[in-house]
Amino acid sequence: DAKTTQPNSMESNEEEPVHLPCNHSTISGTDYIHWYRQLPSQGPEYVIHGLTSNVNNRMASLAIAEDRKSSTLILHRATLRDAAVYYCILSGSGSGTYKYIFGTGTRLKVLA
Amino acid sequence: GAVVSQHPSWVICKSGTSVKIECRSLDFQATTMFWYRQFPKQSLMLMATSNEGSKATYEQGVEKDKFLINHASLTLSTLTVTSAHPEDSSFYICSARVRPGLAGREQYFGPGTRLTVT
Repeated sequence: DAKTTQPNSMESNEEEPVHLPCNHSTISGTDYIHWYRQLPSQGPEYVIHGLTSNVNNRMASLAIAEDRKSSTLILHRATLRDAAVYYCILSGSGSGTYKYIFGTGTRLKVLA
Repeated sequence: GAVVSQHPSWVICKSGTSVKIECRSLDFQATTMFWYRQFPKQSLMLMATSNEGSKATYEQGVEKDKFLINHASLTLSTLTVTSAHPEDSSFYICSARVRPGLAGREQYFGPGTRLTVT
């Protein structure tokens, strides 16, 4: 199964941008890159996903490296409600199945 | 957007009893559902993949006789923890995958079920 590596934790000041990195050097050409976040005692919440091109939605932006071996989730203005564990996940036919294998994720702390 | 529900949201049971957790896709049909377990301060661990009308596929190390999964319809999968013990206490989360062919966003997660075995 394709794996991802993320820093265990990061801190950001409120109202400032946050860049959350993810390495996925074994990504297959058909794997999508997904980002989810999880608040305590809740199920994961979808943030964004992409394949090759950078993506933007109302929650965040996803910047994908040209070789697709890494990606960065960008929160443009962090708020206290963005404090969560962020997971970067690969899935698709290239991984063998469409199941998600969660790594350790990055715990984001937002400082007021 | 697509919604996945779980019932119950929390349950307390006595050691040795069985507990059933339901996972429903409310406004879409899910050919595949997944079950995860999460211990405190840890990441989600995939337990099994459940396909409608067929036997579930369990991840290595997960006891299939202890965690019974049934996926009888395109909108419902159930996880039964049989003869539960305190070490089975955990947060159980399901997700539902939309039909193949809808590339990109694939899985929708439920809110989770907190199981406490006393």
